[in-house]
Amino acid sequence: KAGVTQTPRYLIKTRGQQVTLSCSPISGHRSVSWYQQTPGQGLQFLFEYFSETQRNKGNFPGRFSGRQFSNSRSEMNVSTLELGDSALYLCASSLQGLRQSEFFGPGTRLTVT
Amino acid sequence: KNEVEQSPQNLTAQEGEFITINCSYSVGISALHWLQQHPGGGIVSLFMLSSGKKKHGRLIATINIQEKHSSLHITASHPRDSAVYICAVRVREGGSEKLVFGKGTKLTVNP
Repeated sequence: KAGVTQTPRYLIKTRGQQVTLSCSPISGHRSVSWYQQTPGQGLQFLFEYFSETQRNKGNFPGRFSGRQFSNSRSEMNVSTLELGDSALYLCASSLQGLRQSEFFGPGTRLTVT
Repeated sequence: KNEVEQSPQNLTAQEGEFITINCSYSVGISALHWLQQHPGGGIVSLFMLSSGKKKHGRLIATINIQEKHSSLHITASHPRDSAVYICAVRVREGGSEKLVFGKGTKLTVNP
């Protein structure tokens, strides 16, 4: 079974731009969660989608949004990029969500200049 | 104060040693996760537990809900165990759930 895949793996953007990151979960998994990892703040939970609905949300501003498609693939969008958005963005999938152990993707390294 | 505190921040051991990493939390939780992150960035979920103890190979995780404390033990440590170990707790906030993470413990096992 293929693992969780994320595209792109690396991305450089300029402050003020927007970015879309993509995550394909393990086949059959209906839950996709997104996380941000920075050296200063560590790992932080962004949001979780289950069956195309946002089910849980962390404490991030509205510039961070996401969606999930009927095939469970998920996208995360960050608008009006700030320097502080530079981070490793990880997605994870599971059958049922946060109540189970999740399988993590390799991450997308975003650099905002 | 962080809701999830891990100790130690850094740990260096010799191959074969018994390792303990601690995690304390200050909020009510519904479950606790232990994660392993290798230098390349990949994260693997090791355990999810809400009570008692779980064992997988050389890894053992325990949790004491009353004391709000969990430990991750590695027996007969090996250089391939070198990684960052992260504790995360699942908390309910409003009508939503989220994971709150510790800062991680960087483990280096020398041959």
